[in-house]
Amino acid sequence: GQQVMQIPQYQHVQEGEDFTTYCNSSTTLSNIQWYKQRPGGHPVFLIQLVKSGEVKKQKRLTFQFGEAKKNSSLHITATQTTDVGTYFCAEAGGKLIFGQGTELSVKP
Amino acid sequence: DAGVTQSPTHLIKTRGQQVTLRCSPISGHKSVSWYQQVLGQGPQFIFQYYEKEERGRGNFPDRFSARQFPNYSSELNVNALLLGDSALYLCASSGTGTGVIQPQHFGDGTRLSIL
Repeated sequence: GQQVMQIPQYQHVQEGEDFTTYCNSSTTLSNIQWYKQRPGGHPVFLIQLVKSGEVKKQKRLTFQFGEAKKNSSLHITATQTTDVGTYFCAEAGGKLIFGQGTELSVKP
Repeated sequence: DAGVTQSPTHLIKTRGQQVTLRCSPISGHKSVSWYQQVLGQGPQFIFQYYEKEERGRGNFPDRFSARQFPNYSSELNVNALLLGDSALYLCASSGTGTGVIQPQHFGDGTRLSIL
C-alpha cells in the first residue's frame, strides 16, 4: 500500500542551528500535510501543500512540495527549545497516511 | 471553543478483555477518525466515520469496531485484547468527510496498556 518514508528518525541540534526533515514517496502524492507532536501530546496541524513545487513559510518554518509531488521537506531556521517534538508528514485523503516522524531535540 | 475530547485518558486492561474508547468532535465537525499510535511510530489509520457511516477502514482485524452517533460523537471498541494493542489511541475530527481535504484536529488520546 501507499507508504510515506520520512528521514531522519532523530535529529539532535544545538539551539540556533537549522533543522530539516524529508518526506519521500515512491508514488505521486495528492497533497502533504505536516503535523507537530510535542512529547506527551497529540499531533497538531501545521500546514498543507497541494501544488507541485509549492513553498510555504510560517515564521522560521519553510515547507516545500517537490516538483514531481513525490517528496516534501520541512526546514526550521535557527531552532529554539520550543521547536522540540516529533514532526510528521502525512498524505491526506479520507485518511491520513503518516510518515514515521522525525524527533527533534534542541540543546540550549 | 472546546477541542476534540477523548475519554478515558488512561486505561489498563488484561489480555482477552474488551475496551470502549470515546470521542467527542469539535462542534460542527461531522467527520471522526480513529488512529493507533505505537510508541516511536506515526499514527496508523483505523476508521473514519462521516455522518454516521463508515467511510474508511484501515488494516486492522475485525476485533476493532467503531460507530458514530447522531451527535457525531464516536466510540471505538476493541475485543479480545492482545498485548500488541497497547498504544495511544487518537481521535481526530474535521469539517468534511470527502471532497475538500481539511486539517485533522486531534484529541489528547487514550493511552491503553494491556497487561
